[in-house]
Amino acid sequence: DQQVKQNSPSLSVQEGRISILNCDYTNSMFDYFLWYKKYPAEGPTFLISISSIKDKNEDGRFTVFLNKSAKHLSLHIVPSQPGDSAVYFCAAPVNQAGTALIFGKGTTLSVSS
Amino acid sequence: DAGITQSPRHKVTETGTPVTLRCHQTENHRYMYWYRQDPGHGLRLIHYSYGVKDTDKGEVSDGYSVSRSKTEDFLLTLESATSSQTSVYFCAISEIQVSNYGYTFGSGTRLTVV
Repeated sequence: DQQVKQNSPSLSVQEGRISILNCDYTNSMFDYFLWYKKYPAEGPTFLISISSIKDKNEDGRFTVFLNKSAKHLSLHIVPSQPGDSAVYFCAAPVNQAGTALIFGKGTTLSVSS
Repeated sequence: DAGITQSPRHKVTETGTPVTLRCHQTENHRYMYWYRQDPGHGLRLIHYSYGVKDTDKGEVSDGYSVSRSKTEDFLLTLESATSSQTSVYFCAISEIQVSNYGYTFGSGTRLTVV
């Protein structure tokens, strides 16, 4: 039973446009959420996080929005660049002790020039 | 790089043989993790360690064992490899218990069981 769900396996966007990647969760007790980016043949790298007490966190071109009532978060990339083409994973702590992270299945973003 | 190395990077092995993957860190981080990545499944936690000789199971631990005899090394062993264990394996490290800073991953080991 997935606690963190990314229902869109892929997303294609043109360079300069906005990319929106979505993630739904089932456990309202999660304290924070993270987004990771993964290029082929490399390990995932941390991108941005958001605390459950906030509804928005911004870092340059990347903004994460959290809608607690809907148990939904989204990652916005504006403007999208070809170098953003990667797999994006959302993640949350597996329990309140925060012993490990659980990940969604990932969304493959393709940005065309 | 954050000082985390996985070896080997690629391995092909036969069904039924034992296989050990190594994760080595130079960061002196307390927490270490093993994940596998498969198409359609994302990243799934196999085992993790919260200190020397302290380990616990993740969601897909069946068929795997781990050992951590010193801070810098976390070994993942497939006692008798099966084709379903063909995957890309990632090790990760964290200085503190998982926080909103997440943790750092290695480059992965691609394992093929034939």
